[in-house]
Amino acid sequence: SAVISQKPSRDICQRGTSLTIQCQVDSQVTMMFWYRQQPGQSLTLIATANQGSEATYESGFVIDKFPISRPNLTFSTLTVSNMSPEDSSIYLCSVVGGDYTDTQYFGPGTRLTVL
Amino acid sequence: GDSVTQMEGPVTLSEEAFLTINCTYTATGYPSLFWYVQYPGEGLQLLLKATKADDKGSNKGFEATYRKETTSFHLEKGSVQVSDSAVYFCALTPYNFNKFYFGSGTKLNVKP
Repeated sequence: SAVISQKPSRDICQRGTSLTIQCQVDSQVTMMFWYRQQPGQSLTLIATANQGSEATYESGFVIDKFPISRPNLTFSTLTVSNMSPEDSSIYLCSVVGGDYTDTQYFGPGTRLTVL
Repeated sequence: GDSVTQMEGPVTLSEEAFLTINCTYTATGYPSLFWYVQYPGEGLQLLLKATKADDKGSNKGFEATYRKETTSFHLEKGSVQVSDSAVYFCALTPYNFNKFYFGSGTKLNVKP
């Protein structure tokens, strides 16, 4: 299975600040996704990170709030901008493709608390 | 549109009891189906999958059979352990893996 790391694993931030989460996978993949999981809830897809082009955002999520970069086929970042307590969630990246064509694999998640 | 519905939790069982977590889906075409497990404080791990009708996915004593006629992919285990306590998510991808749909998750508590 894919080996995916996320940094930081957790953080506590003040409202109005921004946090950038990194996702690194151990081999090249076609697609990388970013999800949000609010406490006790299921996963909500934020966006698909596209290598070499702008991310594709789901309804309710915008680039100004959640800018995403994907400079190559093994790395992506998600920034949570101008944070409020409602942004407190677990943020998960996942990958599909390359060596992992038939399954979606998840990173360990970043647990964000906004005060 | 495509969607997944799974039974509400929490489900509380005694050790060695039989487990069933129901999952039904709505999708066009021939989706691939998955069960993921999330242990406390961790990300999601793939538990098992099935890519076509009548396939049975299995792993760690868990099984699920892709039933197209009933659009279901129920998760079963014959004898649960305390270590199986976690949240279980049913999911589907309709085609070419560019979009995944998740159920709401079912929390399983296994008591010794």
